[in-house]
Amino acid sequence: DAEITQSPRHKITETGRQVTLACHQTWNHNNMFWYRQDLGHGLRLIHYSYGVQDTNKGEVSDGYSVSRSNTEDLPLTLESAASSQTSVYFCASSERPNTEAFFGQGTRLTVV
Amino acid sequence: ELKVEQNPLFLSMQEGKNYTIYCNYSTTSDRLYWYRQDPGKSLESLFVLLSNGAVKQEGRLMASLDTKARLSTLHITAAVHDLSATYFCARSGAGGTSYGKLTFGQGTILTVHP
Repeated sequence: DAEITQSPRHKITETGRQVTLACHQTWNHNNMFWYRQDLGHGLRLIHYSYGVQDTNKGEVSDGYSVSRSNTEDLPLTLESAASSQTSVYFCASSERPNTEAFFGQGTRLTVV
Repeated sequence: ELKVEQNPLFLSMQEGKNYTIYCNYSTTSDRLYWYRQDPGKSLESLFVLLSNGAVKQEGRLMASLDTKARLSTLHITAAVHDLSATYFCARSGAGGTSYGKLTFGQGTILTVHP
């Protein structure tokens, strides 16, 4: 079955370190998204991509970057981790921009 | 500014009772989504509402959309414990810079008691 997987599922890192969260989908979806989930805020969009070599900033993009070198993967990089980036991160993909999005299992990131 | 607001944020229900979760959004939307999230889990798609007046039902859950009022509702009928979860509504934009991007509400934490 096609799926979307994130790794790692849990990560503890130190302030100032660079961290990369992986997202891999096997649906061949062009559209991929990264969200962070914090209590009281729902999910907020960090970055998104509509296809290979396309990346766009979302609502809360400061301190994060993404790259899209193939259809299947959209890694999220925290350039210099900060305690404010402690959160649960979800990757999602959709067939077309305005269709149902499917979510990965999430990565719980703690910055100490 | 795009806003999606849900209420209530916390809902404690007795089994067998009915209740409604409301989702208001601030700008014209192409479509409206409802998701369910169990603790520590991912988001599961429940409903996609495509147009004004759309109504969808699955088991004890029914969702509706009123685009003129910018309001969607998720109605729970005869609640059971298995429905305990967090429910999110989300809207996607009709075009321009919001096209395809989901804006989520804060989520409603539903707890169903015996």
